[in-house]
Amino acid sequence: KNQVEQSPQSLIILEGKNCTLQCNYTVSPFSNLRWYKQDTGRGPVSLTIMTFSENTKSNGRYTATLDADTKQSSLHITASQLSDSASYICVVPFSGGYNKLIFGAGTRLAVHP
Amino acid sequence: DAGVIQSPRHEVTEMGQEVTLRCKPISGHNSLFWYRQTMMRGLELLIYFNNNVPIDDSGMPEDRFSAKMPNASFSTLKIQPSEPRDSAVYFCASSLRTLDTEAFFGQGTRLTVV
Repeated sequence: KNQVEQSPQSLIILEGKNCTLQCNYTVSPFSNLRWYKQDTGRGPVSLTIMTFSENTKSNGRYTATLDADTKQSSLHITASQLSDSASYICVVPFSGGYNKLIFGAGTRLAVHP
Repeated sequence: DAGVIQSPRHEVTEMGQEVTLRCKPISGHNSLFWYRQTMMRGLELLIYFNNNVPIDDSGMPEDRFSAKMPNASFSTLKIQPSEPRDSAVYFCASSLRTLDTEAFFGQGTRLTVV
């Protein structure tokens, strides 16, 4: 069954600290993995797309890793800011011939001052 | 480009009424998706259009739900009759067809059926 599982479900950290969010997937065949950020009351916004051959990709303070062998990805946030408070959703397209996205349940991150 | 535009942002309606949600995709995108998001089930794909043609509607929960895309710049999702369990945030997203391209989401329509 094509699934995307994320952990932790929620996380609270202090401003300035680092954190790492995890994503495990069983989607097959695999083409790419995406991390989205969803602020409260808004639509998801893409942070990064990682293809099969990429191990690490950075976008500012966000660094995503991908291990296609173990089917795991992580999103590391460095020097967190209050604006990082959001849900982070791991998404893997089901390569069924079109862009059907399998969504994880998300990790809700709260950054406190 | 203003991005994917959805209307209305909020909708409150009584059970049994018809509800129509609207979406304008990003110009040039040929794929359009309708999603529903709830606390219990997260984001779920309802229906997918490619070049204005419905490709996969297996996520549409039941016959009360219908979606149309009369042209490349407009789509609607209709619920008739609406029920309280339809309360959710409905997102529209658009993208180019290829798998490696990003899907852009609208701001969503928060539907409350009382």
